[in-house]
Amino acid sequence: GESVGLHLPTLSVQEGDNSIINCAYSNSASDYFIWYKQESGKGPQFIIDIRSNMDKRQGQRVTVLLNKTVKHLSLQIAATQPGDSAVYFCAEFTVYGGATNKLIFGTGTLLAVQP
Amino acid sequence: KAGVTQTPRYLIKTRGQQVTLSCSPISGHRSVSWYQQTPGQGLQFLFEYFSETQRNKGNFPGRFSGRQFSNSRSEMNVSTLELGDSALYLCASSLLLAGDRGDTQYFGPGTRLTVL
Repeated sequence: GESVGLHLPTLSVQEGDNSIINCAYSNSASDYFIWYKQESGKGPQFIIDIRSNMDKRQGQRVTVLLNKTVKHLSLQIAATQPGDSAVYFCAEFTVYGGATNKLIFGTGTLLAVQP
Repeated sequence: KAGVTQTPRYLIKTRGQQVTLSCSPISGHRSVSWYQQTPGQGLQFLFEYFSETQRNKGNFPGRFSGRQFSNSRSEMNVSTLELGDSALYLCASSLLLAGDRGDTQYFGPGTRLTVL
């Protein structure tokens, strides 16, 4: 199967601080990117998305930045709360030609919020 | 609106057996995708069904198969189970084809399969 990376990196932050989670994607032709949050025992939950013709998009307490030059995506969470503790995945929409399009997920980053 | 539901939530099987997992998408959603999630490989795409037709397929062996019914409910089947098939199997539904611009996949809680 397709995947990116093997080990789950961890980001530990203090409650109230801002968090920045990074993701490197592989396909320069990808034109749609999504961030998901997965809490223990649950399926991934959509947070925010961004198209390749944008470099920034803001949601509620979250901001996604896209740098196509270096194929880098980041998720910024303002005023991190204990409820933000979860694994965060980035996903890219990749075209493989014809109708064979699919979402490819990164390995994920574990965000641990310290009280 | 009810979310994506998956049954069963937990399953224990032995090597060589087969298993069928079920997914009910959000009402009105026509696309159902299946993913396998393991600690070592992360989230990997299995296949996607749209209007009862398999539209996309990941790089998994033929032991993994699926189908979709006219009410958009989907099942996936794994035959001749191997130890390495132990994983969380996630189903996601979307209104249109997964990944289409502007469309979002909504995930179910998953089925935890353990193969002994």
